[in-house]
Amino acid sequence: AQTVTQSQPEMSVQEAETVTLSCTYDTSESDYYLFWYKQPPSRQMILVIRQEAYKQQNATENRFSVNFQKAAKSFSLKISDSQLGDAAMYFCAYRSATSGNTPLVFGKGTRLSVIA
Amino acid sequence: EAGVAQSPRYKIIEKRQSVAFWCNPISGHATLYWYQQILGQGPKLLIQFQNNGVVDDSQLPKDRFSAERLKGVDSTLKIQPAKLEDSAVYLCASSVGIWLPQETQYFGPGTRLLVL
Repeated sequence: AQTVTQSQPEMSVQEAETVTLSCTYDTSESDYYLFWYKQPPSRQMILVIRQEAYKQQNATENRFSVNFQKAAKSFSLKISDSQLGDAAMYFCAYRSATSGNTPLVFGKGTRLSVIA
Repeated sequence: EAGVAQSPRYKIIEKRQSVAFWCNPISGHATLYWYQQILGQGPKLLIQFQNNGVVDDSQLPKDRFSAERLKGVDSTLKIQPAKLEDSAVYLCASSVGIWLPQETQYFGPGTRLLVL
């Protein structure tokens, strides 16, 4: 079974600075998707960024980018120019690409605080 | 576009009582998910529907949990009887397509359940 590990329960960053959240995963599959979801205190989880395993290019969405290292099974999230609104729980998630009925497997999350 | 709606937002019950949660997905979304998020952990998939059929309920404790999605739209999740360890946030999510593992899942605000 696939597992996702987020080794940093909590992180903090100064406003306007850059922070990197770590994620590692374990799988024997070669085709899969990786996601970062953000869960603000209001609890509505939203997708931040998605990476397809067969694409070597790292995904980028505005201030959010990933460092995807397939051989190392590592998928870190970099937030540049951090804003107060970035404060939230961040979850790394894995999903097999074999079909659409495989579950999203989440890590335990990293709580990010942004200091003004 | 209206998001995923859930009710109630909070529920407190005694152990051995019954409880039901309701979810209304985004209009037109074929796939609906129920997740359980225990404090300090990432969400865990309980059940996935595609239209009104179940495609994955392997992690649903079927001796006490049940779910249905009549007419392929709204869904209810029931716990009967509840145990202390059922205290968690129950998240509903939906996605547009079928058989697409890269699909974005849109989450509702969740129902926070406390079992005393």
